[in-house]
Amino acid sequence: DTAVSQTPKYLVTQMGNDKSIKCEQNLGHDTMYWYKQDSKKFLKIMFSYNNKELIINETVPNRFSPKSPDKAHLNLHINSLELGDSAVYFCASSQVAVSGNTIYFGEGSWLTVV
Amino acid sequence: AQSVTQLDSQVPVFEEAPVELRCNYSSSVSVYLFWYVQYPNQGLQLLLKYLSGSTLVKGINGFEAEFNKSQTSFHLRKPSVHISDTAEYFCAVSGYGATNKLIFGTGTLLAVQP
Repeated sequence: DTAVSQTPKYLVTQMGNDKSIKCEQNLGHDTMYWYKQDSKKFLKIMFSYNNKELIINETVPNRFSPKSPDKAHLNLHINSLELGDSAVYFCASSQVAVSGNTIYFGEGSWLTVV
Repeated sequence: AQSVTQLDSQVPVFEEAPVELRCNYSSSVSVYLFWYVQYPNQGLQLLLKYLSGSTLVKGINGFEAEFNKSQTSFHLRKPSVHISDTAEYFCAVSGYGATNKLIFGTGTLLAVQP
């Protein structure tokens, strides 16, 4: 069973479109995250939700909107896509106060904006 | 706030040779330390972590790392590498608690040659 799964894995879309990436974790964790990996492989946190509450919101354009319908799901919606949004987006989860807040990552969603 | 420095962007090594990937961190508080591996076009996999206790931690695939508080280092080692170890390796640091972010280094590409 996949612990953190995200869909789609690959997404090619045109500038100006709106797209969503879905994420689900079956680990029973209470915290979920979105990370962005740029073309130079640099990884940076975007958002974090703890028990469906937004607790980390980095300096991210407001075109990016996370939504957590329940503890097991955290979706990422992106409006008006730009070329610079091309990146790999990783969903992740952890159980805070257990195992040192160890974070487990999904397989990533490769987004290409053309 | 924490930060992580991986001084080597790329480490070439011959198969069956030993390797050390360097990681130094900066933090004013106690931290957790992690190494993740990313194989080409794949997600991030946890290699090992230091939470507390013994400063020598063993991970998957024969890797180990040693936490050195005085030198603020967490170097990753393997006594004998294989071609299949070729991947990007990321060192990461986190403070305690839900609002603490996992901060990544810039990654080191381990390139194992036959």
